[in-house]
Amino acid sequence: DAKTTQPNSMESNEEEPVHLPCNHSTISGTDYIHWYRQLPSQGPEYVIHGLTSNVNNRMASLAIAEDRKSSTLILHRATLRDAAVYYCIFNGGSNYKLTFGKGTLLTVNP
Amino acid sequence: DAMVIQNPRYQVTQFGKPVTLSCSQTLNHNVMYWYQQKSSQAPKLLFHYYDKDFNNEADTPDNFQSRRPNTSFCFLDIRSPGLGDAAMYLCATSRVAKSQETQYFGPGTRLLVL
Repeated sequence: DAKTTQPNSMESNEEEPVHLPCNHSTISGTDYIHWYRQLPSQGPEYVIHGLTSNVNNRMASLAIAEDRKSSTLILHRATLRDAAVYYCIFNGGSNYKLTFGKGTLLTVNP
Repeated sequence: DAMVIQNPRYQVTQFGKPVTLSCSQTLNHNVMYWYQQKSSQAPKLLFHYYDKDFNNEADTPDNFQSRRPNTSFCFLDIRSPGLGDAAMYLCATSRVAKSQETQYFGPGTRLLVL
């Protein structure tokens, strides 16, 4: 199984940036890094993914370390709606499945 | 909007009574997945279809079966639900089976076994 290490929980204040870390030391050169989040009582939702370069989209930014053994999901201005469990996942090659770890529970304070 | 639809959102069944959960998609995606998510745990893949090809995870109990009669619909059948099968069941789709593909999840069906 492709294993990642994330903090169990993090806390942020509304309208402040949030940096969610993930360690994936066993990642290989062709593995993609994916981030999904799951709001309470909903299905997971895609956030962002990348391979080597940093990525930006309307939801977040993904900063990938040069050695690719870690990455950081950046929410530029947290809102109450961003309170969720954030999952960091990597896969690649012939493995296209998503293996979810425990994720990070993000709490956003008003 | 194109989406993944799961009905019902809540399903109650009795111990041992067969139950079917349904999923439909308007994305015209080739791959459909079923996940099980127990309380306070991460989603766990049960099986998936790539077109009509069925792929079972090694540790998925035989009690769980699936059908995909066409591109749009996929069903999860639990032949004899036990109390331990109470969970959220999530359906997801992806355009193709590649590691960089995004999976699109439905809202889930919460199954209660009495």
